[in-house]
Amino acid sequence: DAGVTQSPTHLIKTRGQQVTLRCSPKSGHDTVSWYQQALGQGPQFIFQYYEEEERQRGNFPDRFSGHQFPNYSSELNVNALLLGDSALYLCASSSTGFDEKLFFGSGTQLSVL
Amino acid sequence: GENVEQHPSTLSVQEGDSAVIKCTYSDSASNYFPWYKQELGKGPQLIIDIRSNVGEKKDQRIAVTLNKTAKHFSLHITETQPEDSAVYFCAATESNYQLIWGAGTKLIIKP
Repeated sequence: DAGVTQSPTHLIKTRGQQVTLRCSPKSGHDTVSWYQQALGQGPQFIFQYYEEEERQRGNFPDRFSGHQFPNYSSELNVNALLLGDSALYLCASSSTGFDEKLFFGSGTQLSVL
Repeated sequence: GENVEQHPSTLSVQEGDSAVIKCTYSDSASNYFPWYKQELGKGPQLIIDIRSNVGEKKDQRIAVTLNKTAKHFSLHITETQPEDSAVYFCAATESNYQLIWGAGTKLIIKP
């Protein structure tokens, strides 16, 4: 049983560019949450998708957007990249509509130069 | 909103000894408290969780205690082993979809 898979594992972009990160949830899970983790800090909640809709959003600007597909996979898009967007982006899935018992992928390390 | 504080930021213990990590939360409505372990280059992994209607929960060498009155909860690891070395995060939520995380504790197990 595959766990949560994320792609790509590493990404280098320059300021102003746009990036798309992808996530496939654990088999049987229907809810996907995205987190940003800066070096040495805990994960910060970006948003959660359930039934193809954004269910809740953290304190992130509109440059961060997402999508969930009918097969429950999800994308995170970040526009107009800033240096401060450099971080590990984590995708987590769960089998309920609530943010409990999250299963995380290994993340995408984004570097903005 | 909820705020979670975690201490210590770094904990070094001798192999075989016990380790305790403590967290406090601010929102008395929070009712779910998970602990995650994050190894280098990996995403966080849920190791144990507790709900507000329970005061203590154990799973082999790992236990979590919750004091709702004082609004703090702790992770206890007994008989520590080298593979316990990692960063541990506590979190809290009112089941409103969003976990609020502590800043993490780097646990170092000395041989």
